[in-house]
Amino acid sequence: DAGVTQSPTHLIKTRGQQVTLRCSPKSGHDTVSWYQQALGQGPQFIFQYYEEEERQRGNFPDRFSGHQFPNYSSELNVNALLLGDSALYLCASSLFLSNQPQHFGDGTRLSIL
Amino acid sequence: EDQVTQSPEALRLQEGESSSLNCSYTVSGLRGLFWYRQDPGKGPEFLFTLYSAGEEKEKERLKATLTKKESFLHITAPKPEDSATYLCAVQAGQGGKLIFGQGTELSVKP
Repeated sequence: DAGVTQSPTHLIKTRGQQVTLRCSPKSGHDTVSWYQQALGQGPQFIFQYYEEEERQRGNFPDRFSGHQFPNYSSELNVNALLLGDSALYLCASSLFLSNQPQHFGDGTRLSIL
Repeated sequence: EDQVTQSPEALRLQEGESSSLNCSYTVSGLRGLFWYRQDPGKGPEFLFTLYSAGEEKEKERLKATLTKKESFLHITAPKPEDSATYLCAVQAGQGGKLIFGQGTELSVKP
């Protein structure tokens, strides 16, 4: 039973560029959440997708956008990259509105030069 | 504003030296409190869920407890392989977002 998978594992971009990160949820899960984790900090919630719609959003600018596909996989897009966007981006999957635990992938390490 | 605070930020123990990690929270309508373990370069790995004050969960050398304002993760006779960052998160109100603390970095020396 495959867990949450994310790609790519590492990415290097320059300021002003755009990036797309991908996530496949754990089998049986229908909801994908994205988090940003800066070095030495806890993850910060970006947004959550269910039934191909953004259901909840954290305190992140519009440069951060997402998409969910019919097979429940998801993408995170970040436009006009800033140095401060350098972080580990984590995807978590779960069942919608369940208080069961979210399961995380190993993340994409994004470095902005 | 919903908030989660973990202490200490870092903890160094000798193998076999028991201790506790603290997670204090202020949220409206707690639906669940979650403990995760995170190894360097990896995503958080789920450990426990606690739903109501007084609840306790155990797994090997770890025991998690919950009160109305905080949770403790007790580590009994730790081993070097228990070294990791331990994250506490709460889920509150409507919606599914998790609010994380900053984590406690645990180091266990042989």
